[in-house]
Formats: sequence, structure tokens, C-alpha cells
Amino acid sequence: GDSVTQTEGLVTLTEGLPVMLNCTYQSTYSPFLFWYVQHLNEAPKLLLKSFTDNKRPEHQGFHATLHKSSSSFHLQKSSAQLSDSALYYCALRGSNNRIFFGDGTQLVVKP
Amino acid sequence: NAGVIQTPRHKVTGKGQEATLWCEPISGHSAVFWYRQTIVQGLEFLTYFRNQAPIDDSGMPKERFSAQMPNQSHSTLKIQSTQPQDSAVYLCASSLTGNTLYFGEGSRLIVV
Repeated sequence: GDSVTQTEGLVTLTEGLPVMLNCTYQSTYSPFLFWYVQHLNEAPKLLLKSFTDNKRPEHQGFHATLHKSSSSFHLQKSSAQLSDSALYYCALRGSNNRIFFGDGTQLVVKP
Repeated sequence: NAGVIQTPRHKVTGKGQEATLWCEPISGHSAVFWYRQTIVQGLEFLTYFRNQAPIDDSGMPKERFSAQMPNQSHSTLKIQSTQPQDSAVYLCASSLTGNTLYFGEGSRLIVV
């Protein structure tokens, strides 16, 4: 069946260091992946989504590449900022076009 | 341009009582999704509608939860005989194409 796995529940790092949040998936269809970000006391918002034309989606310095060979869509950023501290969800559009989410990764960026 | 509107923002209900949550999607969006968010379970899919028709309710606890979308401007999630484990933030999201979800602020339900 369809599933999304985020292995890290909490990632803590120092401002200026690179960020990588893991996301792997299983999909019975051609995969369409998303990253959503949720800041404290706010609603989740789309950060970026995969494309089918080999473009690498980027937004606010974050990027992710869909690798079908490894079933991954890891989120990366070259230099973390304090304002990046938030909860990050990887999501998959699965069968019936329902969209379901991984367990989320809490990113804490320290000065 | 108003976003997704959810009411009430906060609701405290006694165990065994009924709770009804409302969602007004963004005008023109054809898909409406409901999710439940807790610290332990994260964002759990409950159900979704497209053009007001129920498409997938596989995430709904069958016995006490029900959702409806009587018209294109609102959807309701009803929980009968609420239990403490139903305490969560219930999030509604709408989508124009079924890809990008626009979430409301959520309804925080506390069952005491």
C-alpha cells in the first residue's frame, strides 16, 4: 500500500549548518510528494512539491529531489536559519487521490 | 481572499456528549479534506470530499465519527459520544486541484 516514512522525530542543529530531513515512501502509483511546514500555533502550509519533469522544486532556500530508485524525497537546505524552526511533514498523494502525511520531523535551530 | 475558515476554534465537551465542527473551504475549491492532529499520531487522514461527494472515508473511526458536505460552501465533522482520546486539533483543508492543500487554523477539541 501507500505510505510515507519520516525517520527523525526531532532534528536539532546550529544556525548556519546544512539541513536534511529524510522522507521515504511506498506508492502503488506514480508518486507525487509534498513537504509541508507548520510553525508554532499556525496551520500547515505547502513548502514544495515534486514535479514530473525532472525540475528540482525550491522554496525559501529549501529543495527536494524525487528519487524513484530509492523512493525518497529528502528535504535539504544549505544553511539553517533560526526562523526555520518548525514541524515539517512529508506527504504523498496516494490511491483515490487522498493525501496522507508522515509522522513529522520537528526541526529546532539554535543560535 | 479568505482562507479556509473553521469554527469553533476551541471546544470543550464532556465525555459522552456530541461535538460538531464546521469548515468553510476556499471559494471555488472542489476538494475538502479532514485531518486529526495529535502529538502522538501526527496528521491523520480522516476523510475527503470532491465536488461535495464523499470519496474516501477510510480514516474515519466508523462508529462515532461522521462527515458531510451538504453544499459547496461548508462541511461538517460530527463526533458522537465523545471520548477523551478524541481530544485533538481537527484540521480542514481545501484544494483546487487535489494537490496543494490549504489548511484552516483548526478546531481544538478537548474532551473532559
